Amino acid sequence: DAKTTQPPSMDCAEGRAANLPCNHSTISGNEYVYWYRQIHSQGPQYIIHGLKNNETNEMASLIITEDRKSSTLILPHATLRDTAVYYCIVRPTQSYNTDKLIFGTGTRLQVFP
Amino acid sequence: EPEVTQTPSHQVTQMGQEVILRCVPISNHLYFYWYRQILGQKVEFLVSFYNNEISEKSEIFDDQFSVERPDGSNFTLKIRSTKLEDSAMYFCASSAGGNTIYFGEGSWLTVV
Repeated sequence: DAKTTQPPSMDCAEGRAANLPCNHSTISGNEYVYWYRQIHSQGPQYIIHGLKNNETNEMASLIITEDRKSSTLILPHATLRDTAVYYCIVRPTQSYNTDKLIFGTGTRLQVFP
Repeated sequence: EPEVTQTPSHQVTQMGQEVILRCVPISNHLYFYWYRQILGQKVEFLVSFYNNEISEKSEIFDDQFSVERPDGSNFTLKIRSTKLEDSAMYFCASSAGGNTIYFGEGSWLTVV
């Protein structure tokens, strides 16, 4: 079972920041937080991941709380193309042969004009 | 940017027929995966593969399923005798190991 909790759906106005929360209160010290998204039955697309520190790339920013029990994915300027289901997934850092991803139900983000 | 490619994008098959879904993982990756997603449901792990053998498989991956890496580039999923409930989108994925897993665009299988 997924070890994360996300709201089932969120709305965001185009051009505004989308802040997607995720709770992972049972996360272990050796587990990363990964974010993927799935646009209308396409393959899951990697967005960003982090362990303890906040991370930023060209797609998004990831803010992880100091106790690591929750995180927020930030899309700074949401566009209509960001409408998708967003998955927050915890995954061990150094498990190789069994490092599968376990998907939950995610958050359905709807960006509106 | 390197990507995982899958063929066919859509296949319709009759119940009881064998189906082979093909994938070309990212070239320097060593870990390969198949996932599936039944319409409207979660993305589910099927199997992981490394060093020419299955590393882990889920309960879904029963004797009707098999995987193979027949050459240095392809990774295939075979369903021996398809059932109606096998209708789903099948995603291939690959990783360099301990790192980010990248997914293909999927093969949509319809069993009639």
